[in-house]
Amino acid sequence: QVQLVQSGTEVKQPGASVKVSCKASGYTFTSYDINWVRLATGQGLEWMGWMNPNSGNTGYAQKFQGRVTMTRNTSMSTAYMELSSLRSEDTAVYYCARDGNSWSRYDHWGQGTLVTVSS
Amino acid sequence: DIQMTQSPSSVSASVGDRVTITCRASQGIGSWLAWYQQKPGKAPKLLIYAASSLQSGVPSRFSGSGSGTDFTLTVSSLQPEDFATYYCQQGSSFPRTFGQGTKVESK
Repeated sequence: QVQLVQSGTEVKQPGASVKVSCKASGYTFTSYDINWVRLATGQGLEWMGWMNPNSGNTGYAQKFQGRVTMTRNTSMSTAYMELSSLRSEDTAVYYCARDGNSWSRYDHWGQGTLVTVSS
Repeated sequence: DIQMTQSPSSVSASVGDRVTITCRASQGIGSWLAWYQQKPGKAPKLLIYAASSLQSGVPSRFSGSGSGTDFTLTVSSLQPEDFATYYCQQGSSFPRTFGQGTKVESK
C-alpha cells in the first residue's frame, strides 16, 4: 500500500534551518509529484510548493520563495523540504502529499512533522 | 492568486443531520476543486476531487457539486466520525490555495 513516512519532530531556534524528509513506498516514487503543505495552530492549510521527483523540477509559493528548497533522492524514494531563516511564525505541522496525477488531488499524505521555532 | 472562501467557518450539527459547506473561488476554476477532511492530530484525507468525484473508499454520504466559482460539499447524514474540519482546495493554477476551513462540531 502507498505510504509516505516523514521524519520526526524538530525544535529550532529563530534564524536556523530545518530539513524534513518524506519517504515513499508502495508505488513508483518518480511517477507522482510531491507537494508540501503546512498547518499552523489556529490557521488553515497552507500550500508551500511542489516537486517532480523524476525531473527534480520545483515550484514554490511566492511567500516561501528564497527560503524553501525541495529536493529528492530517487535511490531512497525520499523527498525533502528545507526551510531556512526560521521565525516563530513557521511553527507548524508540515505535511508531504502525493499528487494523484489527475485533477491535482492529494490522495496520500505523510503523518506530519511538527516544527517548533523557539528561542 | 486564486482566493478560496468557505462558509460557514463553523457549523453545529447532530448525528443524522444533513450538512452543507460552500466554497467560492475568486475566479473560475472549472471543476478543479478538491475537498479534504482533517481531524485533530491527523493528516488531511481526500474526500472529493474534480468537484464531484468521490475518492475511492470514501462513504457515499459525502458528495460534491459545482463548477466555475461556486462549489458545495454535502454530508447527507452526519455520522459521529464526521466531526472534523473540512477544506476546499483549487487545483486550477499555481499557487494551489485552500479555503480557510469549516469546523463541523457536535450540537
